[in-house]
Amino acid sequence: QKEVEQDPGPLSVPEGAIVSLNCTYSNSAFQYFMWYRQYSRKGPELLMYTYSSGNKEDGRFTAQVDKSSKYISLFIRDSQPSDSATYLCAMSAPNDYKLSFGAGTTVTVRA
Amino acid sequence: EAGVVQSPRYKIIEKKQPVAFWCNPISGHNTLYWYLQNLGQGPELLIRYENEEAVDDSQLPKDRFSAERLKGVDSTLKIQPAELGDSAVYLCASSFSGLTNNEQFFGPGTRLTVL
Repeated sequence: QKEVEQDPGPLSVPEGAIVSLNCTYSNSAFQYFMWYRQYSRKGPELLMYTYSSGNKEDGRFTAQVDKSSKYISLFIRDSQPSDSATYLCAMSAPNDYKLSFGAGTTVTVRA
Repeated sequence: EAGVVQSPRYKIIEKKQPVAFWCNPISGHNTLYWYLQNLGQGPELLIRYENEEAVDDSQLPKDRFSAERLKGVDSTLKIQPAELGDSAVYLCASSFSGLTNNEQFFGPGTRLTVL
């Protein structure tokens, strides 16, 4: 079993819809949780970063972490065609520079 | 601010040939990472450098892969000889070790095809 599980999708939604992405993990030592966005033939770019549990909002993006359930989520409100990309969750433990990534979920927002 | 630079962007070689990838990290970032990303998968760490020292190379297949970061700035990853299964995207990332959040910045990657 992988340390980080992420549903690969693909996910196709109409413009303006709410996109919901999630990951589960098994390592209880993880404290730093990230979401990266990767456009086709590009490198991943950091979208959201959360430390420990709780919610974080940035514009149309909301990241949630539930450490008791070992479950993290990313919500995209009012989705736009420019949001079409692969979204990777990543996480790490304190003082550990290794990032453990999910497999990525490919999202297409239809105009 | 310039991002992480990688070259070449694409490389096609025949199996058993050698290949090398180059990375220049963001200025001031002392930590450099090489990742391997297979199609439909997340990146997997191959090696991490702190300045010029390889501090984590446990996932690097040392029989055919090698890396160097001689002056603690840019880095080269080499495969010799390449095998069909090495076809993937090789990503370089950098970060500043003075931060506790381990925010890593990625380059565009080198897409390797081994025929």
